[in-house]
Amino acid sequence: KNQVEQSPQSLIILEGKNCTLQCNYTVSPFSNLRWYKQDTGRGPVSLTIMTFSENTKSNGRYTATLDADTKQSSLHITASQLSDSASYICVVTSFGNEKLTFGTGTRLTIIP
Amino acid sequence: DSGVTQTPKHLITATGQRVTLRCSPRSGDLSVYWYQQSLDQGLQFLIQYYNGEERAKGNILERFSAQQFPDLHSELNLSSLELGDSALYFCASSRQSGGAGDTQYFGPGTRLTVL
Repeated sequence: KNQVEQSPQSLIILEGKNCTLQCNYTVSPFSNLRWYKQDTGRGPVSLTIMTFSENTKSNGRYTATLDADTKQSSLHITASQLSDSASYICVVTSFGNEKLTFGTGTRLTIIP
Repeated sequence: DSGVTQTPKHLITATGQRVTLRCSPRSGDLSVYWYQQSLDQGLQFLIQYYNGEERAKGNILERFSAQQFPDLHSELNLSSLELGDSALYFCASSRQSGGAGDTQYFGPGTRLTVL
């Protein structure tokens, strides 16, 4: 069964600190992996998307990594800001049928 | 603002009723996706339409149905509503039919409350 697991479930850090969120998946065959940011009560916004051949992709203070061999991805946030408080969702797409499998997200809270 | 619009923003109805949620994709986008997000649960993919045709199906109940019209807007119909159908329903659109380079843009959602 295709699954996407994210850890930790929730995280609280001080403003200005860095943090790393994890995503492990069992989806096969693999097409791509996306990270989304979702503010409470709003639709998700795409941060990064990576294919099999990509190891790292950055979007401002967000850097995603992908290890397709171990089926792991991480999202690193540098110099966190209060506006980074949100849920971060990892989504893996299956190759062929383009089916999306969503993780349950990591709830990140940045405190001043 | 993603460019995807959803109406209504909020909807309150009773069990057993039927409702229709509407989504207008970004200009030029051919795919529309529907998702359900219940409290304390992640996003659940329901269904995708591409250029008027059903493209992919997720965990959509038989009581739910959707369609995409020639002008590419989409409607999600929920019937015989149950308390457990209370959730945020998101619509997303993308330029093509999916794939690595095809970013989905999400609308603001419709919050459905079934009493």
